[in-house]
This record gives sequence, C-alpha cells and structure tokens, in this order.
Amino acid sequence: DAKTTQPNSMESNEEEPVHLPCNHSTISGTDYIHWYRQLPSQGPEYVIHGLTSNVNNRMASLAIAEDRKSSTLILHRATLRDAAVYYCILRYEKSNNNDMRFGAGTRLTVKP
Amino acid sequence: DGGITQSPKYLFRKEGQNVTLSCEQNLNHDAMYWYRQDPGQGLRLIYYSQIVNDFQKGDIAEGYSVSREKKESFPLTVTSAQKNPTAFYLCASSIPGKGAGANVLTFGAGSRLTVL
Repeated sequence: DAKTTQPNSMESNEEEPVHLPCNHSTISGTDYIHWYRQLPSQGPEYVIHGLTSNVNNRMASLAIAEDRKSSTLILHRATLRDAAVYYCILRYEKSNNNDMRFGAGTRLTVKP
Repeated sequence: DGGITQSPKYLFRKEGQNVTLSCEQNLNHDAMYWYRQDPGQGLRLIYYSQIVNDFQKGDIAEGYSVSREKKESFPLTVTSAQKNPTAFYLCASSIPGKGAGANVLTFGAGSRLTVL
C-alpha cells in the first residue's frame, strides 16, 4: 500500500507563505492526494485534494510533482489560525475498499 | 446545516464496562468511518462501512464493535476487551467510490473517552 512521509514539525512566521511537503514515492497512477488539517481538540477538516494537476481553492494550493512522487501544500499567507497538524493521505483507487488511513502529519507552528 | 454529530463529547468509564459512542450524519453519505487518536499521535482507523449492513475492520479493530443498521448512524462500542481505551474518538463520513469527489471526509467534533 502506498504510504506518505511528512516532516514531524515545521515553523512559519505570520503573514509569510508556508510550504508543507509530502513524499509518496509508491503512489499508484489513479491515487488521489488528499490534505486535511486538525486544529487542537477538534476533528480534522478537509483542505484540498488533487490527482495530477496543481489545484487551488480558498484555503490553499496543492502543487503535485510531475512524477507524482511528492506534493506540497502551500498556504500563501500563514495566520495564527493556521497552526494545526496537517495530514497528507492517499485515496486508493485500485480497490473498492476506500479506507482512508492517516499518518502522524506535520505540526505547523505559526509565530507572530 | 448538514454535518456529523458525535455524542457524548466527554465520557468516563470504569474498567470492565462497555460503552457506546454515537455518530449520526445527515449528509446522505454512504461511507462512514471510526478513528482513534492518542495524545500527540495521528489517526488510526478502527472500522469503516461503505454501505448499510456492511462494515470492514481497520488497523486496530480488536476490542471494538460497530453496527450499520441505518445509513445515518454508525455507533461504536468500546468493549471491556479493549485494553487501553482512553483516547479521542473521531467519526467521519464520505461519498465512497471512485472519481474526483469521492472520499472527501467530513469529520465530527470527536468524543473523548477516559477510563478511570
């Protein structure tokens, strides 16, 4: 099964861009890349997802490498409210068992 | 507003007791999931269900049981066989299947279980 690797933690300054990396070197051709984030003592919330092309929404941008072995979640201007644990996960298309498994994620600290 | 409701938010249990955590959704999602989260850790999948009357074990199903009698409801029972049940439990739902919109998870606010 394809797995993801993320740094345990990252720091950013408020109002600056943040690039959160994720490696998924064993990704299959039809696996979607999903990103979620979890604020303290809350359930995770969906951020963005993509397959091959870069994606943008109101929360973030997702840049996917051409070989799809890595991706980067981009927060264009970090705010204090963006301090959270960010999870990169893969949705397996190869079977109908759409189990969604999370790793430990990256804990983002935003400094004022 | 559509969403997922988990109850209770906080629950205390004595050792040896079973306890059931409720998860209800009004999103018309077919798939539902239960995750466990320990302090400072990521989420681990306990059980998931893609359709009514069907469910599959996740990575840590031992000591837990579920039922899926209605599309809207996916209760989790933490049995006395679960050796270390103190944790934060999260329920989620999604539209299953393939395609771009499938499997975007919506989570509840969680239930925090403490065994005394």
